[in-house]
Amino acid sequence: NAGVTQTPKFQVLKTGQSMTLQCAQDMNHNSMYWYRQDPGMGLRLIYYSASEGTTDKGEVPNGYNVSRLNKREFSLRLESAAPSQTSVYFCASSEALGASDTIYFGEGSWLTVV
Amino acid sequence: QKEVEQNSGPLSVPEGAIASLNCTYSDRGSQSFFWYRQYSGKSPELIMSIYSNGDKEDGRFTAQLNKASQYVSLLIRDSQPSDSATYLCAVNKYGYGGSQGNLIFGKGTKLSVKP
Repeated sequence: NAGVTQTPKFQVLKTGQSMTLQCAQDMNHNSMYWYRQDPGMGLRLIYYSASEGTTDKGEVPNGYNVSRLNKREFSLRLESAAPSQTSVYFCASSEALGASDTIYFGEGSWLTVV
Repeated sequence: QKEVEQNSGPLSVPEGAIASLNCTYSDRGSQSFFWYRQYSGKSPELIMSIYSNGDKEDGRFTAQLNKASQYVSLLIRDSQPSDSATYLCAVNKYGYGGSQGNLIFGKGTKLSVKP
């Protein structure tokens, strides 16, 4: 059972380049999330999608765009990468947006912007 | 004041001891509280959730919540080297019916269990 799958796992970008992080879940979950994790900063929510067709900003959305392609897939795009976007990115999903629903995380994508 | 605060550690305990991890939060309206474990280089995984004042036990883990003091803790009994990880406290600002999009994480406490 794959759960939440993210690609790529590692990526090095030059400043100004663009890229898309892909995420797919096979748990038939309605809600999906993108977090970033920086040393000493904890996990911070970038964007989330309550259900197919909806997206909302989280705590740190600037410099990112998202697409909920279908129920399974939620992508994160960096249009013009900056060194400040060097981070570990986690995609996650939950059955619904309710506070009691467990969030399941993907394995993470390590992004370095030089 | 940070919304969710944890000591960064590292917290070092001997094998077999009780590890006590603490977390405070600033929003009195918060009603859902979670503890995640994250091994180095891995993704977070949920180990406990608690919604009511008091204690909640699951195996060697006990979560404690005191809403009046805005304090949540995690006790790990009979600590094992395999418990060595970073423990993240997470708080949902709006509780039941609220959005997981409002889940706020602390920075985590690194626990080291020495054999």
